[in-house]
Amino acid sequence: DIQMTQSPSSLSASVGDRVTITCRASQGISNYLAWFQQKPGKAPKSLIYGASSLQSGVPTKFSGSGSGTDFTLTISSLQPEDFATYYCQQYNSYPITFGQGTRLEIK
Amino acid sequence: EVQLVESGGGLVQPGGSLRLSCGASGFTFSSFSMSWARQAPGKGLEWVSSISGTGDITFYADSVKGRSTMSRDNSKNTLFLQMNSLRVEDTAVYYCVKCSSGCLRNGMDVWGQGTTVTVSS
Repeated sequence: DIQMTQSPSSLSASVGDRVTITCRASQGISNYLAWFQQKPGKAPKSLIYGASSLQSGVPTKFSGSGSGTDFTLTISSLQPEDFATYYCQQYNSYPITFGQGTRLEIK
Repeated sequence: EVQLVESGGGLVQPGGSLRLSCGASGFTFSSFSMSWARQAPGKGLEWVSSISGTGDITFYADSVKGRSTMSRDNSKNTLFLQMNSLRVEDTAVYYCVKCSSGCLRNGMDVWGQGTTVTVSS
């Protein structure tokens, strides 16, 4: 199974900040990497697929990069609605696996 | 607008069974693979199973393999997850998820609101 490791596990930032979350795969997954946002008590929302492509309707403040084993999600100009938990996911092979999540909190 | 509405969750005793359903609308259901994912209380996301658009190919996580069966009724735009021999560790919110085409190499794009399964005596 492919293990997905996110760092950091939690992150404190202020409104207006730019933050970066890292996701590492235990083996190469090409660009079959997605990012999801989840707010408390809500279903996950798809943000990025193919490592760097934005889902329809997702603001351009979210950006993704990487290929192979190392990936990043960057969120610029943080707003209150961006504080949530973020998960990466590989869909290169079964079983599909998720990172453990990064909780983004307001400083 | 794509909508996925799960139902069928509830409280069940260990060893019991439950059948989850997911009603889909807003897209051509039979053209897309679908998945179930779950989230235990306070924990992260876990993929559970996936099914092809025609329903003839399924994949399962080891944690549910042999105890769960995923199926679909394309005439009714409905997805199912039959769960048997339930364990306490199956307690979670179960999400129905639409894949962008196939789930592998295309990914997941829309999630339902989830249905809660609680396994407890």
